[in-house]
Amino acid sequence: GQNIDQPTEMTATEGAIVQINCTYQTSGFNGLFWYQQHAGEAPTFLSYNVLDGLEEKGRFSSFLSRSKGYSYLLLKELQMKDSASYLCAVRDTSGGSYIPTFGRGTSLIVHP
Amino acid sequence: EPEVTQTPSHQVTQMGQEVILRCVPISNHLYFYWYRQILGQKVEFLVSFYNNEISEKSEIFDDQFSVERPDGSNFTLKIRSTKLEDSAMYFCASMERGTSQYEQYFGPGTRLTVT
Repeated sequence: GQNIDQPTEMTATEGAIVQINCTYQTSGFNGLFWYQQHAGEAPTFLSYNVLDGLEEKGRFSSFLSRSKGYSYLLLKELQMKDSASYLCAVRDTSGGSYIPTFGRGTSLIVHP
Repeated sequence: EPEVTQTPSHQVTQMGQEVILRCVPISNHLYFYWYRQILGQKVEFLVSFYNNEISEKSEIFDDQFSVERPDGSNFTLKIRSTKLEDSAMYFCASMERGTSQYEQYFGPGTRLTVT
């Protein structure tokens, strides 16, 4: 399976920028997803990267480097409601599976 | 906006009992999934379902578990003879197509507590 590594917890200040990193190891990389999950709720889709580079979507951007097995999620103009867990999920189709594997998630705490 | 729904939101059951968790995927979606998340741990894949049959399942999805699409809208997960370690949040998800660029939409989850 994939080894997906994310920091366990991060803190940031309202209005600031935060970058959440994700590293992974796969045999057949076929896409990386970022999800946001508020406590006790379902994951909600944020972004999908399959090619190298930056994908921007409003205050959130996601970057991928396939050669480095590395992605980050960038959150700008942080708001209190951004306090949540951010899940990196990687799809590895080397074994014929299309199911992404989730990392343990990074708990982001935004304080005033 | 269409959404995945799940019932019940919380289910309490005694060890050894059977439970059925229900999901209504988004109507034009073709792929259905069950995941679980034990408190404080990562989201774990259980099973995927397409064209009225299981397409993939994880090691967690053993003979204790079964899935069914009894009609055109519901997708159910049955857990036979529940164990304490089955206590978790169970998420249903659906996806429009099976190709790479389509995202999974998750339901709000059912919190299963086995006592």
